[in-house]
Amino acid sequence: SYEVTQPPSVSVSPGQTASITCSGGSVGTNSVSWYQQRPGQSPVLLIYEHSSRPSGVPERFSGSKSGNTATLTIRGTQVMDEADYYCQAWDRSTVVFGGGTKLTVL
Amino acid sequence: QVQLVESGGRVVQPGTSLRLSCAASGFTFTLYAMHWVRQAPGKGLQWVAMTSIDGTNNHYAGSVGGRFTISRDNSKKSLFLQLNNVKTDDTGLYFCVRGDISGWSLEHWGQGTQVTVSS
Repeated sequence: SYEVTQPPSVSVSPGQTASITCSGGSVGTNSVSWYQQRPGQSPVLLIYEHSSRPSGVPERFSGSKSGNTATLTIRGTQVMDEADYYCQAWDRSTVVFGGGTKLTVL
Repeated sequence: QVQLVESGGRVVQPGTSLRLSCAASGFTFTLYAMHWVRQAPGKGLQWVAMTSIDGTNNHYAGSVGGRFTISRDNSKKSLFLQLNNVKTDDTGLYFCVRGDISGWSLEHWGQGTQVTVSS
């Protein structure tokens, strides 16, 4: 089965731009989604179909994809954005999650 | 608004069975595929299973295939996960999740029900 790879951790200063990558064969061939999970909470859909934002998600969150790599970008990062972020793709009829990236804002 | 309320999680011994339930409300249940996703303590998200809108097309993660069965009752707006021959690695928080209308994303998540497998 395909694996989807994310960096385990990313650090960013408040107000700066954070980028989290997601790579793998299934990323290149399927729709990619991104989720935010704050400590003790359920995941929340941030980005779907590579770059679309559900209503209510701040505009500072954006997604893109090039080849086998998708990227979640957070512009003007805020302290409240400190969380775990997961990308998700498909491998035929099964869902694949990346291992998750812990974003630290300091 | 969309609500997904899981139940049925408990402490069980290895090799036993349990059934998780998810009560859905706030949307037309028959229009959406449904998923179970789990999260072991301190670990990442692991997709477990999905069922199609009518429950006739089901798919499973390799680690649970043959032991877990996903099902749905559209008349009761409910989703189920039957866990058989559970292992200690099955310990985790099990989320009931609704797909989005396109089927590609997991749009709405419940709060989860805790399953602990321990002797």
